[in-house]
Amino acid sequence: EAQVVQSGTEVKKPGESLKISCKVSSSSTTYRWIAWVRQMPGKGLEWMGIIFSGDSDTRYSPSFQGHVTLSVDKSTKTAHLQWRSLKASDTAMYYCAHSTKQGAFDYWDEGTLVTVSP
Amino acid sequence: DVQMTQSPSSLSASVGDRVTITCQASQDIGISLNWYQQKPGRAPRLLIYDVSYLESGVTSRFSGSASGTHFTFAISNLQPEDVATYYCQQYDDFAFTFGPGTKVDIK
Repeated sequence: EAQVVQSGTEVKKPGESLKISCKVSSSSTTYRWIAWVRQMPGKGLEWMGIIFSGDSDTRYSPSFQGHVTLSVDKSTKTAHLQWRSLKASDTAMYYCAHSTKQGAFDYWDEGTLVTVSP
Repeated sequence: DVQMTQSPSSLSASVGDRVTITCQASQDIGISLNWYQQKPGRAPRLLIYDVSYLESGVTSRFSGSASGTHFTFAISNLQPEDVATYYCQQYDDFAFTFGPGTKVDIK
C-alpha cells in the first residue's frame, strides 16, 4: 500500500520557472518508479517521463525531453517536475503516479493544476 | 514508438448492457497493456494490468483480453457509476503510451 501526495495549485506567468512535487509514502522500504502524466484541459493522458526513486534513473517521453526535468530526493521519496521557462501551453493538470507493478501506474494523487497566463 | 488506437471514442449504453472498448497496438507489445478509468474531475484509476489481471478492489464486472496486438476491455452489467473515460496504456522498454480514451455514458 502506498500514498501519493502532490503539491498544490500553481498560477504562473510565461517565462517563469516552476517546480512541483510528489511525495510517496509507503510501508515498504523498496524504491519504486514514479511517473508524471499531463492532461491538458479537455484532453487525454500523456506520459511525460518516469524516474526511479532509488537512483534517479530517468526516462523521458520524446515529446517532453528538454522542456522539463525530473528529479527525486531519495531520502524523502519526493519526486519533482521542473520547468525553467513556462509557456501558456504548459497549462494543464499534472499527475504523479507511483508504480509497484511493472509498467502500470497503480497509485495516483488528484493532480497539480498549473495555469500559465500573462 | 508504439502507437495505440482506441475505439470507439465514445459510446452510450443502457444500464445492464455489456460494452466493449478496443485498443490496437502498432506493434507487438506482448501482455504490456493496462486499462484505466477516469471519472470527471478525478485522477485516473488502474483497473486492469497485464491485459487481464484485475487490480485489487476493482469490480469483477470489468475484464480484459487480447488477441495478438488487439486488446479488448469489457464492462458487463453497465452501472451508472461506470460513467467515465477509459484509457488503455502500453509500455515497451520504459516508453509508455496512453490511448486517446473512450467516453462511456448512460442512455
